[in-house]
Amino acid sequence: EVQLVESGGGLAQPGGSMRLTCAASGFSFETFEMIWVRQAPGGGLEWVSYISSRSGTIHYADSVKGRFTISRDNAKNSLYLEMNSLRAEDTGIYYCARVHTIAVSPVDYWGQGTLVAVSS
Amino acid sequence: DIQMTQSPSSLSASVGDRVTITCRASQSITYFLNWYQQKPGKAPKLLIYGASSLQSGVPSRFSGSGSGTDFTLTISSLQPEDFATYYCQQSYSPPLFTFGPGTKVDVK
Repeated sequence: EVQLVESGGGLAQPGGSMRLTCAASGFSFETFEMIWVRQAPGGGLEWVSYISSRSGTIHYADSVKGRFTISRDNAKNSLYLEMNSLRAEDTGIYYCARVHTIAVSPVDYWGQGTLVAVSS
Repeated sequence: DIQMTQSPSSLSASVGDRVTITCRASQSITYFLNWYQQKPGKAPKLLIYGASSLQSGVPSRFSGSGSGTDFTLTISSLQPEDFATYYCQQSYSPPLFTFGPGTKVDVK
């Protein structure tokens, strides 16, 4: 069974930092592209970052570029999101998700999400 | 960047109704369009990929159609468990996985 379990969320002050972890199991993690998606309270889904299977390609949404860093450790079946210079507008639920390998790249598995709150 | 819009933003319907949600891309994305369902407090769930292919385990009352810039998600006979928010998402220009703003389906 495919499982994605996020951790590391919590309360941070504006300007602070936080590191999210996503533990993957039940599939060959090293062969899949992965993304982070967030959802502000009462809001829609916003793609945050993408990383290819071997970390060769990385992309960020403009809203987090220069502040967030995505990475992965295929030996540990883990995905990470390092978040710096946090802002109130970064508040929300952060989901890690798997990108299917078929051509149309649907996001076929999602974690349960971890809540990040940025407030003084 | 490709922008996605959805209409309506919300709708009220009854069990048994036929429901149609529209998604439009700012430029052609051929058939690189996926649909997700999200219930309150839960992660999104993939329903339709490639505009019209049903994800494994998804009931056949869900269907998708369209190509280019205009797409439709149809629920042929709304069931109680279908009250949720639905999002479209383009995957034509990965890794920019742009989502639509969502359509909330609630009880009439």
